[in-house]
Amino acid sequence: EAGVAQSPRYKIIEKRQSVAFWCNPISGHATLYWYQQILGQGPKLLIQFQNNGVVDDSQLPKDRFSAERLKGVDSTLKIQPAKLEDSAVYLCASSLGVGRLSSYEQYFGPGTRLTVT
Amino acid sequence: KQEVTQIPAALSVPEGENLVLNCSFTDSAIYNLQWFRQDPGKGLTSLLLIQSSQREQTSGRLNASLDKSSGRSTLYIAASQPGDSATYLCAVSPIRSYNTDKLIFGTGTRLQVFP
Repeated sequence: EAGVAQSPRYKIIEKRQSVAFWCNPISGHATLYWYQQILGQGPKLLIQFQNNGVVDDSQLPKDRFSAERLKGVDSTLKIQPAKLEDSAVYLCASSLGVGRLSSYEQYFGPGTRLTVT
Repeated sequence: KQEVTQIPAALSVPEGENLVLNCSFTDSAIYNLQWFRQDPGKGLTSLLLIQSSQREQTSGRLNASLDKSSGRSTLYIAASQPGDSATYLCAVSPIRSYNTDKLIFGTGTRLQVFP
């Protein structure tokens, strides 16, 4: 089966510019996650969708970051305006569902490496 | 607040050695623990998932153990190969969170296996 797809793979922008990332999850996966991974750190959850509803966006800097998952499939993550500290790898992941037992594994895409200069 | 720590931060070993990577977490109230592998420029690949009721999981040369009461997990890699060179991350799903699907990651162990 096809994995999680992300594009672009690399992006270089100047501070104060805007950028958007795209993610296509594994077919049939209801839950979609966006993580930010700063160099030398583990990934940090930015936002989680179940179908097209937001489950958790507690760590999303909402003054500059936004995300949507129209029709419950593809998702886009946008940064506007970008800051130097936004330089990171942005990972998208998906899983079959959500539940209290949290038995669903998350499958990750290759990531988008963003450099803000 | 759940915190995940991985020791060592980096490890360099000759091919053929058996090795152990360590992961510790501060709150034992977890649903599961996952070990991931991350190759440079690539995403994360899930290696093993241990449910909170389990003590260990095995896949090929990999064996992961979980001791919830002490807040520790180890990833054992037998007969290491140069192809095992990567960063290994552990992550937990916290029970004491309104979002129980959230993964909280450690900072990883960067492994290099040389011929």
